[in-house]
Amino acid sequence: EAGVTQSPTHLIKTRGQQATLRCSPISGHTSVYWYQQALGLGLQFLLWYDEGEERNRGNFPPRFSGRQFPNYSSELNVNALELEDSALYLCASSLTGGEDTEAFFGQGTRLTVV
Amino acid sequence: GQQVMQIPQYQHVQEGEDFTTYCNSSTTLSNIQWYKQRPGGHPVFLIQLVKSGEVKKQKRLTFQFGEAKKNSSLHITATQTTDVGTYFCAGPGGYSTLTFGKGTMLLVSP
Repeated sequence: EAGVTQSPTHLIKTRGQQATLRCSPISGHTSVYWYQQALGLGLQFLLWYDEGEERNRGNFPPRFSGRQFPNYSSELNVNALELEDSALYLCASSLTGGEDTEAFFGQGTRLTVV
Repeated sequence: GQQVMQIPQYQHVQEGEDFTTYCNSSTTLSNIQWYKQRPGGHPVFLIQLVKSGEVKKQKRLTFQFGEAKKNSSLHITATQTTDVGTYFCAGPGGYSTLTFGKGTMLLVSP
């Protein structure tokens, strides 16, 4: 069974540009979560999508947005990139949404803003 | 929102020594999960604890959930170099999300 896949693996952008990150969940999983892992800050919750709808978002500005497609894959968009956006962006999926369900993480997209 | 505090931030041990990381919350947790992230890798689920006072073992790893369900610990007996990585605890963050601690980075010297 394929795990959670993310693309691209690495992304280098210039300040002010836009970045698009993609995630394919495990087959059968309807919930997708996005986390930002910046150096020394642990995993910060960004967004949660379930059944095509945004269900919750973390304490991030509106320039962080995303969507979930009918096949449950998801996209994270970051507009007007800032240097502080440089981080590892992790996508996780779970069978259903919930605080007590195991999250399966992808390998992440390393975003570097220069 | 819900926060979980994790200590220590970093620990360096000699192979064969024991290691413990602690996770604390100011409020009662319905459950707590533990993840391991190897250097350059992604977090991988280890275990979930649900019951008050619960203790679970996975080979050399022992996980505990406090009686008040406000704290948890992960203890590794006789560490090996393969144990290197960052260990995260995660608790309910509200509305079906997880809140992760900042993690404890474990370095094991041979």
